[in-house]
Amino acid sequence: QSVLTQPPSVSGAQGQRVTISCTGASSNIGAGHDAHWYQQLPGTAPKFLIDSNNNRPSWVPDRFSGSKSGTSASLAITGLQAEDEADYYCQSYDRSLGGEIFAGGTKLTVL
Amino acid sequence: QVQLQESGPGLVKSSETLSLTCAVSGGSINGYYWGWVRQPPGKGLEWIGYVYYNGVPNYNSSLKSRLTISVDTSRNQFSLNLRSVTAADTAIYYCARVKGDSTFDYWGQGILVTVSS
Repeated sequence: QSVLTQPPSVSGAQGQRVTISCTGASSNIGAGHDAHWYQQLPGTAPKFLIDSNNNRPSWVPDRFSGSKSGTSASLAITGLQAEDEADYYCQSYDRSLGGEIFAGGTKLTVL
Repeated sequence: QVQLQESGPGLVKSSETLSLTCAVSGGSINGYYWGWVRQPPGKGLEWIGYVYYNGVPNYNSSLKSRLTISVDTSRNQFSLNLRSVTAADTAIYYCARVKGDSTFDYWGQGILVTVSS
């Protein structure tokens, strides 16, 4: 049982906006630890996408944004494209566990 | 550009030890944590543990009793040893560089390890 929770799936039409939530607790995101988002395309390794301070690697377009509030974090994707279809994972540090935790992941389908 | 490459056997017998190595190129081991994450087929990601460049490890408590992660700065590589494996340890194993803010910023391509009975 992960202490970070994401919806198993989300979908949106091309060009639309979707958000993926990551619900944590007072021992991780709520304690001030950043949430990090990873994109995993089918059959490939995860790649760091963005964090909750909206820091992203140079390859990530600004259609992707990250934020957090309280014990939760969110990933927003605007102008959905077919190439965005992937699994997305949220990750943070948990001070109660004394280590890193990953949420269960969200499968994004682009209609 | 930092690159990581996992190596090791793709098949391990039940009750034996799973041993993997991750070679780091394009950057130094110094100043970072070096970690392992696994993904059972069709499932999500699980943090296994990491080691700081000075050799201090931090392990997932659920695996701690079976786990050793070590670093070899002279060879720019780090290793994973997971003892007494069972079928539940069958997964793709990824190595990754971890920054101080817990960002897993570079990943290896992953290696599938199957535990057979």
